[in-house]
Amino acid sequence: DAKTTQPPSMDCAEGRAANLPCNHSTISGNEYVYWYRQIHSQGPQYIIHGLKNNETNEMASLIITEDRKSSTLILPHATLRDTAVYYCIVRARNSGNTPLVFGKGTRLSVIA
Amino acid sequence: DVKVTQSSRYLVKRTGEKVFLECVQDMDHENMFWYRQDPGLGLRLIYFSYDVKMKEKGDIPEGYSVSREKKERFSLILESASTNQTSMYLCASSSDREMGEQYFGPGTRLTVT
Repeated sequence: DAKTTQPPSMDCAEGRAANLPCNHSTISGNEYVYWYRQIHSQGPQYIIHGLKNNETNEMASLIITEDRKSSTLILPHATLRDTAVYYCIVRARNSGNTPLVFGKGTRLSVIA
Repeated sequence: DVKVTQSSRYLVKRTGEKVFLECVQDMDHENMFWYRQDPGLGLRLIYFSYDVKMKEKGDIPEGYSVSREKKERFSLILESASTNQTSMYLCASSSDREMGEQYFGPGTRLTVT
């Protein structure tokens, strides 16, 4: 699986959009970009994934650049409950028993 | 909503005890996983099951075993608990169609004294 690079931490004002970047310059053609988050003392939570088109669900939007070497997770109106560590993971969609590889992620702090 | 539940949020056991951690999912998922999470080491896969009675070793299976007798239930067993197994244990499940989309339980924080 391709490696990812994320900033270690970010702040965001409550009510504003949080834009979390991820670099994955070695991504291969069959690999998807997955985003998870982990709120303190809880299990990780799946957010969204995509291949090359932008994706949106009730939680977030995922913007993937045309060359697929980077992506941005957007939380449109961040709330205090969005404070968490956000993980960007690149993985082939059904790569058997290979585990999800959670890197260090980005610690997002939403500030009132 | 997908629901993955784990039998305990907190557990304290003594060295040498046999420990059972239970995980149940209600989404009819084929795949279930056991991870442990330690500061600075991230999530590490212990065992994985892709069907009833089937199991595969993950990265760190030593000292652990698993059981999957029913599709919805996946148990992690510490045969003889040791202090280096003090950790947060996380269970997850996914469908065959979307294996990267894993749904996690709340975790069990196990302390072995």
